[in-house]
Amino acid sequence: DVKVTQSSRYLVKRTGEKVFLECVQDMDHENMFWYRQDPGLGLRLIYFSYDVKMKEKGDIPEGYSVSREKKERFSLILESASTNQTSMYLCASSGLAGLTGELFFGEGSRLTVL
Amino acid sequence: DAKTTQPTSMDCAEGRAANLPCNHSTISGNEYVYWYRQIHSQGPQYIIHGLKNNETNEMASLIITEDRKSSTLILPHATLRDTAVYYCIANMNRDDKIIFGKGTRLHILP
Repeated sequence: DVKVTQSSRYLVKRTGEKVFLECVQDMDHENMFWYRQDPGLGLRLIYFSYDVKMKEKGDIPEGYSVSREKKERFSLILESASTNQTSMYLCASSGLAGLTGELFFGEGSRLTVL
Repeated sequence: DAKTTQPTSMDCAEGRAANLPCNHSTISGNEYVYWYRQIHSQGPQYIIHGLKNNETNEMASLIITEDRKSSTLILPHATLRDTAVYYCIANMNRDDKIIFGKGTRLHILP
């Protein structure tokens, strides 16, 4: 069964801490995405990647960076966490080269920044 | 990438067909229409997609108007487990951002 796994379901961090959210997919997908979801705002795209070592900014990249050193892993990094980054973070992947096909999502990581 | 517009919320009686509309009047000829749903506390789940022809799978049917400016997702016999937020997305190729709007919150009424 296809799977996107996010490293932590729940995290609590303090303001100013560096936070790593890890995402691994086992489908050999080329494309990976990070979204955040907040009440009333829907899903908003932070960053995406269509290949190893490649990244593109989404709609709300400020305060975030990403790393894609291996095809199966896409990491979201909060260099200095702030309270307004408290949110649900969702990772997704898709695999059709040249055509963005069906997205497979992880279960999400709920981050609280105190 | 084309913007999509959906109603904020809808109700449907259990056992009836749920028809969820989506407007994508600026869709281009090579953009597909995708539908996802998100059940509370879970990641979104793919339902169906289409280009211009109507599509059906085990979960739902997708009806796309001839001019492709709108579409309707049909859940033929809604159950309480279909209560979720449904997202309609128009998207084409690998260089497009995949943008989710706020979706339609579907309530299935017992």
